[in-house]
Amino acid sequence: AQSVAQPEDQVNVAEGNPLTVKCTYSVSGNPYLFWYVQYPNRGLQFLLKYITGDNLVKGSYGFEAEFNKSQTSFHLKKPSALVSDSALYFCAVRDSNYGGSQGNLIFGKGTKLSVKP
Amino acid sequence: DTAVSQTPKYLVTQMGNDKSIKCEQNLGHDTMYWYKQDSKKFLKIMFSYNNKELIINETVPNRFSPKSPDKAHLNLHINSLELGDSAVYFCASSQDQGTGAEDTQYFGPGTRLTVL
Repeated sequence: AQSVAQPEDQVNVAEGNPLTVKCTYSVSGNPYLFWYVQYPNRGLQFLLKYITGDNLVKGSYGFEAEFNKSQTSFHLKKPSALVSDSALYFCAVRDSNYGGSQGNLIFGKGTKLSVKP
Repeated sequence: DTAVSQTPKYLVTQMGNDKSIKCEQNLGHDTMYWYKQDSKKFLKIMFSYNNKELIINETVPNRFSPKSPDKAHLNLHINSLELGDSAVYFCASSQDQGTGAEDTQYFGPGTRLTVL
């Protein structure tokens, strides 16, 4: 079965410092991995995804993520955090082996990022 | 222009009532979805639908039913509302590419349903 874990409920970072939001996954086939951000009282916004190719994926708002197959991880990173990055971040995975209901996008429980001035 | 829109944004109703939430996408996408986000922010797929098939998450009560009048709309009907139905409901859509597994889903702003 597919699963995704975000081990941290909250990440606190000072503005200007680098940030990392962790994500690990479990699938039987090849993973398709996604990061979304949710600002308060808003819908989810797509940040980036990994399907195949280069392990380092660049996305919106200066975010990037690195796919690591051996560690089954897809951590979200940003070199210099902004206060406006404070939000709830979701990692999601789909298993390339499955279609139909088994091919659903599975979300992690979310990590709250707090960036202080 | 809003890509995926939902109405209403807030919905407060009594237990036992029947209600609907509307969703429209102007992206020309083939597949639409409904998700439920509970009070702990956990997101779970409820339905996915395109012109080929409706896929229902087996944990969704049959009081919930999606209705698609056309490719751009997927409305959510809920019968006999219960207290536990209180949540934020998100609509999403994606363009089918290949197997569909790699598609990016684009989300609406959400509808906060409160059942009293």
